[in-house]
Amino acid sequence: KQEVTQIPAALSVPEGENLVLNCSFTDSAIYNLQWFRQDPGKGLTSLLLIQSSQREQTSGRLNASLDKSSGRSTLYIAASQPGDSATYLCAVGNRDDKIIFGKGTRLHILP
Amino acid sequence: KAGVTQTPRYLIKTRGQQVTLSCSPISGHRSVSWYQQTPGQGLQFLFEYFSETQRNKGNFPGRFSGRQFSNSRSEMNVSTLELGDSALYLCASSLDRTDFEQYFGPGTRLTVT
Repeated sequence: KQEVTQIPAALSVPEGENLVLNCSFTDSAIYNLQWFRQDPGKGLTSLLLIQSSQREQTSGRLNASLDKSSGRSTLYIAASQPGDSATYLCAVGNRDDKIIFGKGTRLHILP
Repeated sequence: KAGVTQTPRYLIKTRGQQVTLSCSPISGHRSVSWYQQTPGQGLQFLFEYFSETQRNKGNFPGRFSGRQFSNSRSEMNVSTLELGDSALYLCASSLDRTDFEQYFGPGTRLTVT
């Protein structure tokens, strides 16, 4: 049974710093891994999607990597801004067609 | 291109009642998935519909059901509501299989009193 873990559960970082969010999963037989952000009380916004054959994806200040063999993904945020404050969720698309989410990392960027 | 829409956005029901939530996917998307999000359990997969057929189901009791129409719009129904059903219900659409990118709606906040 696939389990997705995100550590830490919460993180506070001064504005301007680079940071890394972590996501680990137990079963490497995945289709893809997707990173989302969620603002309080809102739906999820897709940030990056990495297919199982890819190693990384980049969008602006965001870079996501995927290492299937070790069951890990990281989301790197460069030059953090207060507007980056949100909860970041990773979701793994499994070969049984189920998508399993981690519980998220609540990120707070300090002005 | 319009995003995923969900109605209603907020709902208050009492225990024992039933509720129907609606989701309209992005035009051209044929897969619709439903999720329940609570502070304690996080995001949990309810079910996925593709071409009017339930293709996958999570571990929820039979009180939770859904359907998809020929225009890909989907509804989910919860019967005999319990206090623990209070949650944010999110739907997501994707082009085809779940290995495609998921796009989420804003959610329906259900409160059961």
